[in-house]
Amino acid sequence: NAGVTQTPKFQVLKTGQSMTLQCAQDMNHEYMSWYRQDPGMGLRLIHYSVGAGITDQGEVPNGYNVSRSTTEDFPLRLLSAAPSQTSVYFCASSLGRAGELFFGEGSRLTVL
Amino acid sequence: GESVGLHLPTLSVQEGDNSIINCAYSNSASDYFIWYKQESGKGPQFIIDIRSNMDKRQGQRVTVLLNKTVKHLSLQIAATQPGDSAVYFCAENRDETSGSRLTFGEGTQLTVNP
Repeated sequence: NAGVTQTPKFQVLKTGQSMTLQCAQDMNHEYMSWYRQDPGMGLRLIHYSVGAGITDQGEVPNGYNVSRSTTEDFPLRLLSAAPSQTSVYFCASSLGRAGELFFGEGSRLTVL
Repeated sequence: GESVGLHLPTLSVQEGDNSIINCAYSNSASDYFIWYKQESGKGPQFIIDIRSNMDKRQGQRVTVLLNKTVKHLSLQIAATQPGDSAVYFCAENRDETSGSRLTFGEGTQLTVNP
């Protein structure tokens, strides 16, 4: 059982480039979310989804897009990367509405 | 050893001592709380949770206490071991209807000295 899988683990981008962080879970969880983690700021919610076809904004959504075409996948897109988006990104999923979150190993993104 | 306040980011304890990590939450409507442990280079891992209709919950070597009157949450780790060294985050669920919408505190770095 792989749990929550994120790719890539590391990525360096130049300002203005676009990319997609992939997230997949094999636990049949309805709820998925993306967080970013910056030093001294804990984890902040970017976007989340309560099921296939449904997404909503979190605390810091600007500069990011998401989609949820299947239960398993929840990709995070950066359309035009900025240095302020340098961070570690975590994808998480949960079975219930307020249940335990299962996290991926993280994707470290650097924007030059 | 005990951490106090929101802005004390580190706690150092001796192996075998008990550790207490504190967390203040802001939303009196929050009804679900979780403690996560994050080791270096890894994603957060669930430790223990508690719902707002409870004051205390115990797990293996860990206890979570909830004081709704002062909006305070604590994690107690008994007989702290070197493997407990990590950053510990408290998280609160502010919106039951949204799902996966936990709000995290800033974290406390626990260091266990042998």
